Amino acid sequence: AQTVTQSQPEMSVQEAETVTLSCTYDTSESNYYLFWYKQPPSRQMILVIRQEAYKQQNATENRFSVNFQKAAKSFSLKISDSQLGDTAMYFCAFISTYFGNEKLTFGTGTRLTIIP
Amino acid sequence: DTGVSQDPRHKITKRGQNVTFRCDPISEHNRLYWYRQTLGQGPEFLTYFQNEAQLEKSRLLSDRFSAERPKGSFSTLEIQRTEQGDSAMYLCASSLAGRQDSYEQYFGPGTRLTVT
Repeated sequence: AQTVTQSQPEMSVQEAETVTLSCTYDTSESNYYLFWYKQPPSRQMILVIRQEAYKQQNATENRFSVNFQKAAKSFSLKISDSQLGDTAMYFCAFISTYFGNEKLTFGTGTRLTIIP
Repeated sequence: DTGVSQDPRHKITKRGQNVTFRCDPISEHNRLYWYRQTLGQGPEFLTYFQNEAQLEKSRLLSDRFSAERPKGSFSTLEIQRTEQGDSAMYLCASSLAGRQDSYEQYFGPGTRLTVT
């Protein structure tokens, strides 16, 4: 079974600063994807960024980038130039690519607050 | 593409009553997932379908829970004889298997169930 650990329950940062959210995972599989999802207060879950395990290059989406360390099973999210709209719960998630086992396993989340 | 929709958005019921939730996935998506999220936690997998076939059920899904996707389009999740421990947000997600980004799941707004 896979596990996902987010060790930072809460973080806060000043607007325009950079913040990094941590995530570690455990799996015996070699083919999988990792995601960061954002869940704003009282709003639905939105996909922020994804990383394929077979790709060595770290994924980037505008102000969001990841640091994927496969050997260390680490997958952190960096938010640059943070904005007030980034305030949300952030969940790290793992999914296997093996047929019949393609379900998301989530961490417990990090509550991020951007301070004006 | 109107996104994933769920109905109702909120449900308050008395212990022992049966409830049914509906999820309409993104129209071309052949996979549909149900997750449960309790306060302050990440979503937990319940079950998923590819077309009308139910591929996996979590051990969290007791005999009181049943899910269907009769025509491979919308899905229903029924909880019989509700208990206070069933109070949670029930999330639906969909994806399109067979594409490179098929592991990306798109979430609905959720149904918040309160059992009194």
